[in-house]
This record gives sequence, C-alpha cells and structure tokens, in this order.
Amino acid sequence: GQQVMQIPQYQHVQEGEDFTTYCNSSTTLSNIQWYKQRPGGHPVFLIQLVKSGEVKKQKRLTFQFGEAKKNSSLHITATQTTDVGTYFCAGLTTDSWGKLQFGAGTQVVVTP
Amino acid sequence: NAGVTQTPKFQVLKTGQSMTLQCAQDMNHEYMSWYRQDPGMGLRLIHYSVGAGITDQGEVPNGYNVSRSTTEDFPLRLLSAAPSQTSVYFCASSYSASGGAEQYFGPGTRLTVT
Repeated sequence: GQQVMQIPQYQHVQEGEDFTTYCNSSTTLSNIQWYKQRPGGHPVFLIQLVKSGEVKKQKRLTFQFGEAKKNSSLHITATQTTDVGTYFCAGLTTDSWGKLQFGAGTQVVVTP
Repeated sequence: NAGVTQTPKFQVLKTGQSMTLQCAQDMNHEYMSWYRQDPGMGLRLIHYSVGAGITDQGEVPNGYNVSRSTTEDFPLRLLSAAPSQTSVYFCASSYSASGGAEQYFGPGTRLTVT
C-alpha cells in the first residue's frame, strides 16, 4: 500500500539558519498537504500542492511538489523560535480516495 | 464557529472498559475522520466518513467503531480498551468528501489505558 516517508525525523537548527524537510511517497500522489503541530497542540494546515513541479511560498516557507508527484519538500529560511514544532506532510492518491496518509513528521528544535 | 470540538480532553480507562470519544463540527463539512498519534509514527487514520450514514476503515481500524448519523457528529467507540490504545486521538473534518482539502483538527483527546 501507499507509504509516505519523511526525513529527517529530528532537526536541530540554530536560529537564523535554513533547513529543509523532505517527504517521499512510494506511489504517485494526487495532492500533498503540509501541517504544523506545536508542542501540545493539534496539527494546523499550512498548504496544499496539486500540480507537478508546483512551488508555493508563505513568507519564509517554500513548498515544492516534485515533477513525478512522488516527493515534496518544505524549506524554511532564517529559522525563528516560532518555527518550533513538528511538520507533517500528508498525501492522497487517486486509488486511496478518502485515506489521507501522513508521514511520521519532522520535529524541529530551534536553538537561540 | 467553534470549528471541531472533542470531548473529553483527557481520559484514563482500565483494560476491558469501553468508552466513546465525541467529535463535532459546525462547518457543515461532509468529510470527517479519526486519527491516532503515537510518538514517532505521525498520524494514523482509524476511520473516516464522507457523509452522514457512510463510514469506512482507515489504516488502523481494529478495536474501534464509528457511526455518522448526522453531518455534525462523528463519535469513536472503543469496544474493549487495551493498553495498546493508549494514544492521543484527533478528529478532523474537511469540506472535500475525498479528504483532499484542508483538514481542520480538533484539540485532541489524550487517552491512557492501564
């Protein structure tokens, strides 16, 4: 069945540095979503990508969807302490209608 | 709008007990789902519903039952609690019946089974 893998599992970042988290699927995705979960909180939607090669930006966050629609990345520039949390990708395939599959997440710790 | 609400926030059960986790949304969303979150494993789909009267199994459905008698409510029933069901449970809803749109999550229920 479909599997969504996320790397790295943990990311320690110095404040001001950049980092990237990656999401890979074993099957082609119809879309991919990204969520952020603050410690003790619930996942909050960040963005959805649908088109092959799509790139979207939200301030310091850049999201990419691969050409083959099997991978995605989230790049954060000039990390701030407010970026602390766990970032999840979640994918949907055309043959898993209704079954959004989440990656295990990247837990981000920011050192001032 | 209250969004997605879940009750209770915390619950401790003994092995073999049953209980129902409540979930409600006031956004008239067709799609609702239940996830469990365990350390290092992300969110795993338990059951989902694409509309009132329609439910289906997700990735980890064993030990759980759901029903969807109204658009607003989607309760999750634990039939006979086991320690392996200790987890944080999130309910989510979406306007897209396929789940392919923004998911709105509730605040979660932290369940401990002893």
